[in-house]
Amino acid sequence: KAGVTQTPRYLIKTRGQQVTLSCSPISGHRSVSWYQQTPGQGLQFLFEYFSETQRNKGNFPGRFSGRQFSNSRSEMNVSTLELGDSALYLCASSLVAGDNEQFFGPGTRLTVL
Amino acid sequence: DQQVKQNSPSLSVQEGRISILNCDYTNSMFDYFLWYKKYPAEGPTFLISISSIKDKNEDGRFTVFLNKSAKHLSLHIVPSQPGDSAVYFCAASPSGNTGKLIFGQGTTLQVKP
Repeated sequence: KAGVTQTPRYLIKTRGQQVTLSCSPISGHRSVSWYQQTPGQGLQFLFEYFSETQRNKGNFPGRFSGRQFSNSRSEMNVSTLELGDSALYLCASSLVAGDNEQFFGPGTRLTVL
Repeated sequence: DQQVKQNSPSLSVQEGRISILNCDYTNSMFDYFLWYKKYPAEGPTFLISISSIKDKNEDGRFTVFLNKSAKHLSLHIVPSQPGDSAVYFCAASPSGNTGKLIFGQGTTLQVKP
């Protein structure tokens, strides 16, 4: 069974631009969570989607948004990029909503110049 | 406010010996705990978990101990192998099936041959 896939793996943007990251969960998994990893803040929860609905949201500004499609694939979007948005963005999938055991993808490394 | 803390940024042990990684938490509402291992350029890989109703869970060379009164958990790896060298993250889940994991800052384990 294929694992969680994320595209692209690396991305370079400039301040003020926007970016969309994509995540395909493990087949059969219906819940997708997103996390941001930075050296200073560690791994922080962004949001969780299940059945195309955002169930929970972390403490991030409204520039960070996401969505989930009927096939459980998910995208997250960051608008008006700031230098501090440079991070590794990780997607995790789980079978159902609120499932504690989450399986992570390799991440998308975003660099904002 | 760091709700999950891994106070040791790094740990070095000899191959064949025991590795003990520690994690402290502050929120008594956490009811599920997990350990993840992360290699460079990969996402975290789920290792082992424990529910707050238990005080020990074992899986092969990995054992997690939970001390609720001290709000402390630890991961024991016996015997340690060079392939165990990685960053280990402790994570906690608040009660209520939020789908949100709160991570510690990680401990880098080096197992020397």
